[in-house]
Amino acid sequence: SQKIEQNSEALNIQEGKTATLTCNYTNYSPAYLQWYRQDPGRGPVFLLLIRENEKEKRKERLKVTFDTTLKQSLFHITASQPADSATYLCALDHRTGANNLFFGTGTRLTVIP
Amino acid sequence: DVKVTQSSRYLVKRTGEKVFLECVQDMDHENMFWYRQDPGLGLRLIYFSYDVKMKEKGDIPEGYSVSREKKERFSLILESASTNQTSMYLCASSLGTGDSYEQYFGPGTRLTVT
Repeated sequence: SQKIEQNSEALNIQEGKTATLTCNYTNYSPAYLQWYRQDPGRGPVFLLLIRENEKEKRKERLKVTFDTTLKQSLFHITASQPADSATYLCALDHRTGANNLFFGTGTRLTVIP
Repeated sequence: DVKVTQSSRYLVKRTGEKVFLECVQDMDHENMFWYRQDPGLGLRLIYFSYDVKMKEKGDIPEGYSVSREKKERFSLILESASTNQTSMYLCASSLGTGDSYEQYFGPGTRLTVT
């Protein structure tokens, strides 16, 4: 079965720096990959989706890359702010019927002022 | 905006009780999901539904059942609650057509079984 690893459980960075989170998976590549943000005690919120034939996707200060050869996605937050502190989840999106998402365990990002 | 609501934010039940968790979405989404989330284990799918009265088992269906009598409502039932079902329960919905496969989550129900 598919295994998803997010680089570390927790990541601390200084405000203003770029945060880079990693999502690695085994086995077959998904057609899409999604990233979510989750704040403590809340449900995840969708951020970005990237297709297998897209190398990079941007949205404001967020950038996602998807390398099917390396079986890896990188999630970048540029000019990070304390308000970016949250847990970030990657999800493999295989589009096999209705149940399309397989989630990683997440990386807890803390941006230090 | 899609809104997914869950019947309770916090719930405390005793071992052996029957527990109902309700989820309602207001965007006419076809697909609905129930997950549980535990530290270190991430989100695990319990059941999902792709249409009214249709349901499919997820990764950890044991000890749970579901009901979808109306498109907007998806209920999770714990037939006889046990302490190992203490967890955060999250409901989600998705349109599931075209490119619209992102999932919209409710705020979660933190269930404690004593």
